[in-house]
This record gives sequence, C-alpha cells and structure tokens, in this order.
Amino acid sequence: NAGVTQTPKFRVLKTGQSMTLLCAQDMNHEYMYWYRQDPGMGLRLIHYSVGEGTTAKGEVPDGYNVSRLKKQNFLLGLESAAPSQTSVYFCASKPLAGGWTDTQYFGPGTRLTVL
Amino acid sequence: GENVEQHPSTLSVQEGDSAVIKCTYSDSASNYFPWYKQELGKRPQLIIDIRSNVGEKKDQRIAVTLNKTAKHFSLHITETQPEDSAVYFCAASKGNTDKLIFGTGTRLQVFP
Repeated sequence: NAGVTQTPKFRVLKTGQSMTLLCAQDMNHEYMYWYRQDPGMGLRLIHYSVGEGTTAKGEVPDGYNVSRLKKQNFLLGLESAAPSQTSVYFCASKPLAGGWTDTQYFGPGTRLTVL
Repeated sequence: GENVEQHPSTLSVQEGDSAVIKCTYSDSASNYFPWYKQELGKRPQLIIDIRSNVGEKKDQRIAVTLNKTAKHFSLHITETQPEDSAVYFCAASKGNTDKLIFGTGTRLQVFP
C-alpha cells in the first residue's frame, strides 16, 4: 500500500495563477482533510470531506476549493493564487468514525510558493 | 473558538534526560488527543494518542497523561536519544467530531 500520496511535491506559481493539488489514498478511508502548515502556526484545517461527494469548510477555507468525486481522491484548488498562500500543504485521511482508530494519516506534503 | 496551546516552543535536552511537552485545550467536549512527530521535511506521524476515558497511556519510552478537569495533557519522553530530535505537535478533537485542532509545535533537540 502506498498510503497517502500527494502530487506535486513542489510548485512555484505567480500571483493570479491557478492550480490543483491532488491527494490520493489507497486505504479505503472515508475521511480526508487538507491542511496548511506555516512556521509557528502548526497545522490548520482548510477543508475536509466525510465521504465521496461531500466537502465542508475548515478553519481557513478562503481562497480554496475542494472536490471529492472519488472516494480515494481529494483535490484542493487555488483559483487565483496569492503570496499569502505560500505554505506547505498536507493531506490526511482517516477511517470511518467508530472504528478501531481515530488516527489521521498524512501525505508527504506539497511545498507551494506564490511569487 | 476552540484552541490548543502548546509549551514550550523549543526544548533542548541532553541525551538520556527526559523531555516533557505540555498542551492545554479549551473545548471540554474534546475526547481524542493525538501526538505527532515531524522530522525536518517529512510528514507528521502519530507517535501516541489518548482518549478522554483514560488518564495515562505508555508506549516504551513515550507516555501521555491527560487531566480532563484542568483540560491539559502532556507528552513525556524518557531516556531521550538524538533520533528523538524533531518537532512534536499535540492536537485535540474539536468536540467529539472527526476534526483536530493542532498546537503550534515544540522543537525538541537532543544533544549527544
């Protein structure tokens, strides 16, 4: 099993450009999450999904959109990138609540720089 | 809103000493408290977790304690080794939901 994977690993954008980050998991997890990690601020939740076809806002959703058309994939979109979106983005997944664990499993991260 | 405070932000110890990292949370409905270790340039990885119906949990050199009344929980690492050097994050569930609120991290350095 590959676990949680993210594409791409690195990306540089110019202000106003758009891009999509892909998260994929092969563990048949119901829940998926997108976080951003900034120095001194820990991990902050952008959007999350509790199942295929569902999405919901987290703490810092502005400027981002998400889609979960397939259970194994969770896409994070930036329609018009801004320098404030320079960050490391982590995807995570978790099995259905009530199972044996509430552990969130993280992907390797995407380092995004917006110039 | 709900938040998790983590202290200290940096911690330096000599190899073999113990390290303690403390977190406080604001939401009395939080019921799940994981700790993640993140090495430089890597993904966060779970090292131990505890639920609100348990006061203490231990796994070899790592232990976590939870005080629900005071709303704080702590990570204890004994007999520290250089490979324990990393950033450690605590987190608390947002109420009894499947979302986590993370602390701001503690950079632990273990000197040989």
